[in-house]
Amino acid sequence: QQQVKQSPQSLIVQKGGISIINCAYENTAFDYFPWYQQFPGKGPALLIAIRPDVSEKKEGRFTISFNKSAKQFSLHIMDSQPGDSATYFCAASTANTGFQKLVFGTGTRLLVSP
Amino acid sequence: DAGVTQSPTHLIKTRGQHVTLRCSPISGHKSVSWYQQVLGQGPQFIFQYYEKEERGRGNFPDRFSARQFPNYSSELNVNALLLGDSALYLCASSFGTVNTEAFFGQGTRLTVV
Repeated sequence: QQQVKQSPQSLIVQKGGISIINCAYENTAFDYFPWYQQFPGKGPALLIAIRPDVSEKKEGRFTISFNKSAKQFSLHIMDSQPGDSATYFCAASTANTGFQKLVFGTGTRLLVSP
Repeated sequence: DAGVTQSPTHLIKTRGQHVTLRCSPISGHKSVSWYQQVLGQGPQFIFQYYEKEERGRGNFPDRFSARQFPNYSSELNVNALLLGDSALYLCASSFGTVNTEAFFGQGTRLTVV
């Protein structure tokens, strides 16, 4: 129940296209959902995060869509660029425990072709 | 403004040895969390410390321990190293304790031989 399932495992998108990464969870207590971008040899960088009281959040070319009833959320990268080529992780946490334990998905390796 | 800093960046240790990893959080952040990231997987939660107190612990053996200092920096200690402890160890800094933006350092790459 603590898992966050992420798909696809890898994704190739042409420059200018839309990249879509999906995540699903079981634990209905999760109430915070961040997305991270990680380049090889670096730590994850926070991209954007959403809470369940909104269905969509947009920051620049990055949009999170959230479907509470389906227990799914997704990251859309508009106008994808070669510099977006990285591994993307979704994550989830709950305030119920009194501490922040981010549960990460398994990652999606995105390659944006020029 | 300095981000989260971790040291060392790379480390090679022998099985059975002990290792100490260090983390300095973003200025003003009082919470430090530690994660282990095995190659090809997402990070796994080890500990969270806030105001020098352990707030949460993940599913890791007692060989893993940590502490937080009055200046909010933190150390992760691992005893009796195993080959399976080889991973990227990440420190995350945040202002609060729950559902708050967490910012990661570049990590310490630990190789156990």
